[in-house]
Amino acid sequence: GENVEQHPSTLSVQEGDSAVIKCTYSDSASNYFPWYKQELGKRPQLIIDIRSNVGEKKDQRIAVTLNKTAKHFSLHITETQPEDSAVYFCAASIPWGSTLTFGKGTMLLVSP
Amino acid sequence: EAEVAQSPRYKITEKSQAVAFWCDPISGHATLYWYRQILGQGPELLVQFQDESVVDDSQLPKDRFSAERLKGVDSTLKIQPAELGDSAMYLCASSLAGQETQYFGPGTRLLVL
Repeated sequence: GENVEQHPSTLSVQEGDSAVIKCTYSDSASNYFPWYKQELGKRPQLIIDIRSNVGEKKDQRIAVTLNKTAKHFSLHITETQPEDSAVYFCAASIPWGSTLTFGKGTMLLVSP
Repeated sequence: EAEVAQSPRYKITEKSQAVAFWCDPISGHATLYWYRQILGQGPELLVQFQDESVVDDSQLPKDRFSAERLKGVDSTLKIQPAELGDSAMYLCASSLAGQETQYFGPGTRLLVL
């Protein structure tokens, strides 16, 4: 089955800095890669996703890049703000199955 | 904006007792998922429904866990008997049929004493 590795497990940045979280996946058939943000005690919220026919996608301060050859994808947050502090999860799914396999999460802490 | 609903939000039980969690997906979402999230880890799929049918329950510990979605709308996840290792957050998610995007509920945090 699919295996998703996520790094780093924790990331501390100063407000205004950029943050990058990286994930690798094992199944070359995977074609959908969402990122979820989970604040303490709250539900995971989808913040951005990318499909395998696209190399990069941007939404304001958030961007995701995908390298199919290397089987890795990354989340980039620019101009970080304290409210960006949360746990971020990457995930991958293969066509049809739609079952998501999640990484273990990255705790992002943005200090004012 | 429609959201996935879950209840209860918190549940404390003693080991060997039975517990049940309820999920109401977003209206019109044919696919429903139950995940277990252990503290400090990502969600792991327990069971996936398409309408009232189970699509994937390969990771569901069937000796103690059961799930149903009788009318293809809301769903119940049951644990009987609960064990200490079942302490976790149980998340429900839903999606439109054939769509990858999953929307999560607030979860039920279970503590087994």
